[in-house]
Amino acid sequence: ILNVEQSPQSLHVQEGDSTNFTCSFPSSNFYALHWYRWETAKSPEALFVMTLNGDEKKKGRISATLNTKEGYSYLYIKGSQPEDSATYLCAPGGNTGKLIFGQGTTLQVKP
Amino acid sequence: SAVISQKPSRDICQRGTSLTIQCQVDSQVTMMFWYRQQPGQSLTLIATANQGSEATYESGFVIDKFPISRPNLTFSTLTVSNMSPEDSSIYLCSVEGGNYGYTFGSGTRLTVV
Repeated sequence: ILNVEQSPQSLHVQEGDSTNFTCSFPSSNFYALHWYRWETAKSPEALFVMTLNGDEKKKGRISATLNTKEGYSYLYIKGSQPEDSATYLCAPGGNTGKLIFGQGTTLQVKP
Repeated sequence: SAVISQKPSRDICQRGTSLTIQCQVDSQVTMMFWYRQQPGQSLTLIATANQGSEATYESGFVIDKFPISRPNLTFSTLTVSNMSPEDSSIYLCSVEGGNYGYTFGSGTRLTVV
């Protein structure tokens, strides 16, 4: 069973703060790592798919890094805004189409 | 990326009844995935639905409890049968495709009373 852990479980920050969270996963048989952003009553929104060790991806104020050898990925948000409030999910996935999700990090940005 | 229409968006059901959730995709896709998120838990894969064959269920999920139909390449249903309060969850369908891997429906928030 693939064990995916995300920390912290929840986070409260002030508007303008930068923040980051962690996704840990088994490093063996790695294929890809997905990050999603999930707002209440909406579809999970894909942020990144990462496959290469050392890879770094950026989308606006959000960026992510990947270490496949030690089995972790960091998601960074620069200058958090209230609209960044959501649950951020990571999921290592194989080429069979299955995604194994962590429990998520719920971010609340206070204006 | 594919666009998925999922219905219903939410429902409150009596225990012992069944609810069928529908997902319609705006393009043909080979595999559709059904997930569940129980309160405080991870999003967990229930089964993979392929057109023309029986769905493949993950450990802990069985066809009698979660029958799935996949009549064509753009549509699938998941039924939650003989519901109990433990079935109260968010149910999501998903398809592969697009630049970021997988697209999800907006979810069905089910409360069983």
